[in-house]
Amino acid sequence: DQQVKQNSPSLSVQEGRISILNCDYTNSMFDYFLWYKKYPAEGPTFLISISSIKDKNEDGRFTVFLNKSAKHLSLHIVPSQPGDSAVYFCAARDQTGANNLFFGTGTRLTVIP
Amino acid sequence: GAGVSQSPSNKVTEKGKDVELRCDPISGHTALYWYRQSLGQGLEFLIYFQGNSAPDKSGLPSDRFSAERTGGSVSTLTIQRTQQEDSAVYLCASSAGTGLQYEQFFGPGTRLTVL
Repeated sequence: DQQVKQNSPSLSVQEGRISILNCDYTNSMFDYFLWYKKYPAEGPTFLISISSIKDKNEDGRFTVFLNKSAKHLSLHIVPSQPGDSAVYFCAARDQTGANNLFFGTGTRLTVIP
Repeated sequence: GAGVSQSPSNKVTEKGKDVELRCDPISGHTALYWYRQSLGQGLEFLIYFQGNSAPDKSGLPSDRFSAERTGGSVSTLTIQRTQQEDSAVYLCASSAGTGLQYEQFFGPGTRLTVL
């Protein structure tokens, strides 16, 4: 039962353009969402997060948008750079207090120079 | 400073054998997590340790899986009588505490292949 879903396994974008990675969730008890970035042979690293009390959080080239009514969030990267090529995981935390994260299956982003 | 380390990086074993996977968290981190990623799946929570509290084992898929954390530092995940469906990348993460402000730092993972 996948509570966090990333329906696009891959995405290719030209350098300088916007990358939009999407994530959907089913559990209304999720109240905190994170994006992780993963390079081959490395563990995921934290990128950006958003609390459910917000609908947008921006950090440099990265912006995360949250639409609670649609149970949807997205990560925007602009402008995209070749070094952004990696697998991006969406994750969510349950407000009931459990500390584990629920992850999506990941989207492989390729930024074409 | 050193990040989370895991060993071995790769492990190939035969069905029915036991395996041990090791995680060295970041020094001083009180919380430690194990996840696994099977082919085509997202990261799946397995178990969580916080300080001296009883671990949260709610994610362990069967009683063949167990984990311990000795001295509040190094953790070992043990899989007994391995099955082919246990093949996955096993990831360990640690954090300085619990709560939303504490980022989970991940190790590079151990790729387990059960033949």
